[in-house]
Amino acid sequence: DAKTTQPPSMDCAEGRAANLPCNHSTISGNEYVYWYRQIHSQGPQYIIHGLKNNETNEMASLIITEDRKSSTLILPHATLRDTAVYYCIELDHSGGSNYKLTFGKGTLLTVNP
Amino acid sequence: DTEVTQTPKHLVMGMTNKKSLKCEQHMGHRAMYWYKQKAKKPPELMFVYSYEKLSINESVPSRFSPECPNSSLLNLHLHALQPEDSALYLCASSQFPGVTGELFFGEGSRLTVL
Repeated sequence: DAKTTQPPSMDCAEGRAANLPCNHSTISGNEYVYWYRQIHSQGPQYIIHGLKNNETNEMASLIITEDRKSSTLILPHATLRDTAVYYCIELDHSGGSNYKLTFGKGTLLTVNP
Repeated sequence: DTEVTQTPKHLVMGMTNKKSLKCEQHMGHRAMYWYKQKAKKPPELMFVYSYEKLSINESVPSRFSPECPNSSLLNLHLHALQPEDSALYLCASSQFPGVTGELFFGEGSRLTVL
């Protein structure tokens, strides 16, 4: 079962920053935080991941709290095409039989014009 | 080429039919995955192949039979399915098993069982 907690839905105005929170209070030292999104009728798309430092790429920024119990995905200038379900996932990089990308319920982000 | 290609995009089958879903990637990835997604639910992991060998089977019923003929291809053979098996079946691949969680997903095959 997924161990992360996300709000079921959020709204954002087009052109504004979208800040999507995720709680992962039981995360262990080997577990990274991954973010994916799934646009309607498409396969999930990888966005970004991190362990404890903040990360940024061309799609988004990931801010992880110092205690690693929560994180925020930031889409700096949301567009209508960013409307999707966003999934926050813990993944243990130590491998073995627990190396499974398990999706939780995610957050449906709706970007409004 | 950063694509995972799934065929067919849509499939309708009866409960007595035998059909297969196909997945192909040419990124040199050595891990491949099957996920099942019901409407308005998150994807659920079914199988993982690492270096062409089945490494994870999430207690999937035997009417679903995966096959990895080579490092680029992944099949899911379907036989005697039930209407509740109707779902979107997603294939994914990743570079090295157990090293990265960056999976590349296909668009999925939408299966309807009558």
